[in-house]
Amino acid sequence: DVKVTQSSRYLVKRTGEKVFLECVQDMDHENMFWYRQDPGLGLRLIYFSYDVKMKEKGDIPEGYSVSREKKERFSLILESASTNQTSMYLCASSLSPRGYYGYTFGSGTRLTVV
Amino acid sequence: GENVEQHPSTLSVQEGDSAVIKCTYSDSASNYFPWYKQELGKGPQLIIDIRSNVGEKKDQRIAVTLNKTAKHFSLHITETQPEDSAVYFCAASKGGGADGLTFGKGTHLIIQP
Repeated sequence: DVKVTQSSRYLVKRTGEKVFLECVQDMDHENMFWYRQDPGLGLRLIYFSYDVKMKEKGDIPEGYSVSREKKERFSLILESASTNQTSMYLCASSLSPRGYYGYTFGSGTRLTVV
Repeated sequence: GENVEQHPSTLSVQEGDSAVIKCTYSDSASNYFPWYKQELGKGPQLIIDIRSNVGEKKDQRIAVTLNKTAKHFSLHITETQPEDSAVYFCAASKGGGADGLTFGKGTHLIIQP
């Protein structure tokens, strides 16, 4: 069964901390994505990567960075966590850069910044 | 960039009735339209998709229709069951570029027993 695994289901961090959210996929997909999900706002793209060491900004990259050192792993980094970054974070991977054939999503990480 | 509008935000139907969720998109270059279902505590899961060279696609109780001229597409669920209760997202992919899918804001479907 193909999988996208996010390392933590729930995280609580303090304002100003550096936070790492990890995502691993076992499907040999080149394309990986980070979204945040907020009530009433749907899914908003933070960053995506279409190859190892490649990264592109999405619609809301401010306050975030990413790392893709290996094909299977895509990490989201909150450089200095703030309360407005409290959200559900979803990682996805795809066979196609355009999302053709669909995304496979992880189960999400619910981050609370206090 | 692409903009996807989804309506309604909440839909409550009686078990056994049909449910329809509608989306519009702005970029005429979009040519791939998937639908995702998100159950509580889980990530979204692809349930059906349609490409711009097709007007309708069915899979058991679910169907998707696409009107390219009007730039809208819809999800139809017939004979609804309690397990259909979830949040549904539509999405669109542009013909060019590598930035993946643009999602609607979601519809919370509630099946009343």
